[in-house]
Amino acid sequence: GAGVSQSPRYKVAKRGQDVALRCDPISGHVSLFWYQQALGQGPEFLTYFQNEAQLDKSGLPSDRFFAERPEGSVSTLKIQRTQQEDSAVYLCASSLGAGTSGYNEQFFGPGTRLTVL
Amino acid sequence: QKEVEQNSGPLSVPEGAIASLNCTYSDRGSQSFFWYRQYSGKSPELIMSIYSNGDKEDGRFTAQLNKASQYVSLLIRDSQPSDSATYLCAPLPPDNQGGKLIFGQGTELSVKP
Repeated sequence: GAGVSQSPRYKVAKRGQDVALRCDPISGHVSLFWYQQALGQGPEFLTYFQNEAQLDKSGLPSDRFFAERPEGSVSTLKIQRTQQEDSAVYLCASSLGAGTSGYNEQFFGPGTRLTVL
Repeated sequence: QKEVEQNSGPLSVPEGAIASLNCTYSDRGSQSFFWYRQYSGKSPELIMSIYSNGDKEDGRFTAQLNKASQYVSLLIRDSQPSDSATYLCAPLPPDNQGGKLIFGQGTELSVKP
């Protein structure tokens, strides 16, 4: 079956532009996570949705970052007024059940590589 | 102290050898542990999950968990050049932290033919 998909795969933005990154989770997956990965580092948590509810946004680095999942399926991560330090790979992952279920395995999409000039 | 610690490597092993990847974590409440493989330029791919103390084997991979020592490892037997990648350890914090994974920085493995 289809895995997690993300678009665009690559995005180049000028400093100050707004960007929107899309994630389409595995069909039927309840939980959706966004992570940010800098070069040479492991992914770092940004935010978590259970269905349409955003239950944890503690990892969002500033109020320029905003995420939504209005119908409990597709999610969008929006970054306003992009800065050079926002350059990274943005990864989306989904899991079948509630994120707090210890047995839930998270499956990652291919990521969006954002470069801010 | 970092929440999850892994040797960054690179760890270099000859083809056919056993590769041993180690990970320590700080949150004693973590109950579930995941190993991801990440090829250069690609996203993490789940290869093993382990939930209880002891060993769990899946093909050439064996995960080992010791909660008392807060230590989890991944052994790769009969290493192949195609195993060359970065391996990420990710404990799942306790229930009250919402299911997010905390990743180590990863260990780069290089298998030489």
